[in-house]
Amino acid sequence: AQKITQTQPGMFVQEKEAVTLDCTYDTSDPSYGLFWYKQPSSGEMIFLIYQGSYDQQNATEGRYSLNFQKARKSANLVISASQLGDSAMYFCAMREGGSGGSYIPTFGRGTSLIVHP
Amino acid sequence: DSGVTQTPKHLITATGQRVTLRCSPRSGDLSVYWYQQSLDQGLQFLIQYYNGEERAKGNILERFSAQQFPDLHSELNLSSLELGDSALYFCASSATQKTEALHFGNGTRLTVT
Repeated sequence: AQKITQTQPGMFVQEKEAVTLDCTYDTSDPSYGLFWYKQPSSGEMIFLIYQGSYDQQNATEGRYSLNFQKARKSANLVISASQLGDSAMYFCAMREGGSGGSYIPTFGRGTSLIVHP
Repeated sequence: DSGVTQTPKHLITATGQRVTLRCSPRSGDLSVYWYQQSLDQGLQFLIQYYNGEERAKGNILERFSAQQFPDLHSELNLSSLELGDSALYFCASSATQKTEALHFGNGTRLTVT
């Protein structure tokens, strides 16, 4: 079974608009971490934002915020005020901790975001 | 800049050959992970080392091997290369083995002809 599901293979957004990239996860471990990475066409994997399963507040990093809904097991990335440079692939990932957890991150298949001028 | 250094950036070689990919983790990070990214398989975990010891293995072929040295840098050796081994190989590091984020190098793009 997929542990990380990104249902949007491609998304389009107008420059300066906000966009939400969906991510749902599957775990029975109470301790886990969720992350988002950006991969531009140049290929590098850039860490964007982290949310721990016990964090009470949603994580924010500049224009990035993570909409963490624990009961629904979703960890959507919200990018505000999109810029042309935001065009890239975006990957959601999870690390499970606690008993039985391997701590090895698993990644979703990614969402391709294109920002239109 | 993530602080993780991977060399070389590009590698072109022929089938049947052997190559070595090198990774230096972020300063202070003890854990190193290797991933393979191909179009059809996505980002696949290969192997993890922590402070010199192998800690976890993923979908790593027997033709592939890795090690982490006392100075914490790591090498991934790929032998008897096949066309299907063409991919982007990433090294990532983290300070511990827990639930924190990994920081990735820029990757080595391997092309097998």
